[in-house]
Amino acid sequence: QKEVEQNSGPLSVPEGAIASLNCTYSDRGSQSFFWYRQYSGKSPELIMSIYSNGDKEDGRFTAQLNKASQYVSLLIRDSQPSDSATYLCAVKDNTDKLIFGTGTRLQVFP
Amino acid sequence: DAGVTQSPTHLIKTRGQHVTLRCSPISGHKSVSWYQQVLGQGPQFIFQYYEKEERGRGNFPDRFSARQFPNYSSELNVNALLLGDSALYLCASSINPTENYEQYFGPGTRLTVT
Repeated sequence: QKEVEQNSGPLSVPEGAIASLNCTYSDRGSQSFFWYRQYSGKSPELIMSIYSNGDKEDGRFTAQLNKASQYVSLLIRDSQPSDSATYLCAVKDNTDKLIFGTGTRLQVFP
Repeated sequence: DAGVTQSPTHLIKTRGQHVTLRCSPISGHKSVSWYQQVLGQGPQFIFQYYEKEERGRGNFPDRFSARQFPNYSSELNVNALLLGDSALYLCASSINPTENYEQYFGPGTRLTVT
């Protein structure tokens, strides 16, 4: 069974710090990886996609992918209280459906 | 540009009843996927449609069915509702389900079964 694993948290970081969110996946054939942010009571919002090994930066967000280790991470620089949310890692399998982790709850305190 | 829209926003049904949820994709998107999200879990895949054809089905009972219309909108139907069907139902659209196309979610329909 294809799985995506995330630490449920909460991950607590002070305002201005770097938040590091991690995700591992079981299907070695996966090629597409996504990070979604979900505020309480809302639907998931796509914030990053990554398809190749290495880093991809977009503003304060950096996604990192290591296919050999089956590991994908999300770094949030200069964390703000508004970043407090659940971050969902999603992996597209070979049938093109997204498999989600359970999410990591991030808390940024002032 | 309008994003993915879903209706209704909230719904309360009784066990044994039937429900129909609706989704309109982003303009230009031809693929729609449905997910179920229960509290504390990530979304679970239910169905994927592309060009009105079913491309994938998740591990859900036959009480769940869906279809896609010529305008690419979609309906999710659930028969004989159970208490365990209470969840947030999410619709996501993408240009194309293959390759590196991203899926964008609608606001969801929160279904409560009593």
